[in-house]
Amino acid sequence: EVVLTQSPATLSLSLGERATLSCRASQSISSYLAWYQQKPGQAPRLLVYDASSRATGIPARFSGSGSGTDFTLTISSVEPEDSAVYYCQQRNNWSITFGQGTRLEIK
Amino acid sequence: QLQLQESGPGLVKPSETLSLTCTVSGGSIGSSDYSWGWIRQPPGKGLEWIGSIYYSGSTYYNPSLKSRVTISVDTSKNQFSLKLSSVTAADTAVYYCGRGFSIDPWGQGTLVTVSS
Repeated sequence: EVVLTQSPATLSLSLGERATLSCRASQSISSYLAWYQQKPGQAPRLLVYDASSRATGIPARFSGSGSGTDFTLTISSVEPEDSAVYYCQQRNNWSITFGQGTRLEIK
Repeated sequence: QLQLQESGPGLVKPSETLSLTCTVSGGSIGSSDYSWGWIRQPPGKGLEWIGSIYYSGSTYYNPSLKSRVTISVDTSKNQFSLKLSSVTAADTAVYYCGRGFSIDPWGQGTLVTVSS
């Protein structure tokens, strides 16, 4: 099973700052990585798929990068509505695992 | 646009079988090459993939749950279903259905509590 480790656990930033969220895989997963945003009481929302492709309707301030074992989700300038938990997820060999999540707090 | 909706009992007794259905609207399960899957989230915790199915019937399960899980598809009703047997309190969670291995969209989720 591929284990995904996200860091940091919590990120606290001021409005307009740049957010950098990390996801590391226990083995190479090529570019089979997605990022999701989940707000309280809501289902997760797909932000990025295949490591760097933005999903439909996702603002351009969200971008993904990486391949192999190291991946990054960047929010170029955080806004109040970005306060949420962010999960990475891999799909490899017909199996899916999620990271444990990074909580983004906006000061 | 494509929408998914989970349905089923909100309370299941320990040792019994949890059964949920996901109804797809705005598109056909049988007309695309996407997988259709189930994911769960215990209260206050992270996401866990349960398994996925293609309209052809091919299934893929989380190894940790495989012995207790059955996912099936009914293309005539545009639905797919989850059965999880021998449930315990640890199976209490919000259960989501979703499309694809990069999951989009998701259903709104349904809370299933395992308790006597």
